[in-house]
Amino acid sequence: NAGVTQTPKFRVLKTGQSMTLLCAQDMNHEYMYWYRQDPGMGLRLIHYSVGEGTTAKGEVPDGYNVSRLKKQNFLLGLESAAPSQTSVYFCASGGRGPYNEQFFGPGTRLTVL
Amino acid sequence: AQRVTQPEKLLSVFKGAPVELKCNYSYSGSPELFWYVQYSRQRLQLLLRHISRESIKGFTADLNKGETSFHLKKPFAQEEDSAMYYCALSGNTGFQKLVFGTGTRLLVSP
Repeated sequence: NAGVTQTPKFRVLKTGQSMTLLCAQDMNHEYMYWYRQDPGMGLRLIHYSVGEGTTAKGEVPDGYNVSRLKKQNFLLGLESAAPSQTSVYFCASGGRGPYNEQFFGPGTRLTVL
Repeated sequence: AQRVTQPEKLLSVFKGAPVELKCNYSYSGSPELFWYVQYSRQRLQLLLRHISRESIKGFTADLNKGETSFHLKKPFAQEEDSAMYYCALSGNTGFQKLVFGTGTRLLVSP
């Protein structure tokens, strides 16, 4: 099993450009999450999904959109990238319930110039 | 408001020394607490969770509700313990939405 995979690994954008980050998991998990990690800030939740076709806002959702058309995929979109969105983005998936482990992807390093 | 505080950005110890990584939390209710670890060039992964009362790789963590703390301890540090450690909390019912601390880098020197 590949676990959680993220595409791409690295990307450089210019301000105003758009892009989509893809997350895929093969563990049949209901829950999926997108986080961003900035220096000195820890991981902050951007958006999450509790099942196919459902999404919800996390702590820092502004400037991002998400979609979960298939259970195994969770897409994060930046419609008009800004330098403040320079970050490392992590996707995670997990089972139902509050005690379960979240499984993380390897991360995508995004730079917006 | 939910908040996790890890006061130390860096903790540097020698091999064989005891280690304590501090974690304090703020949560209105009964939280579930976790420690996640990220070794160099590896993914973030779960180290241990309070509900399991387990010891993983020699690490333990005790939830102290009075002091609202969940410190991570190991009696004898090993070089392979060098990593970034994150404390995280979630509510103990319904959907799991983790709130992470800012992390502590543990450096174990020979």
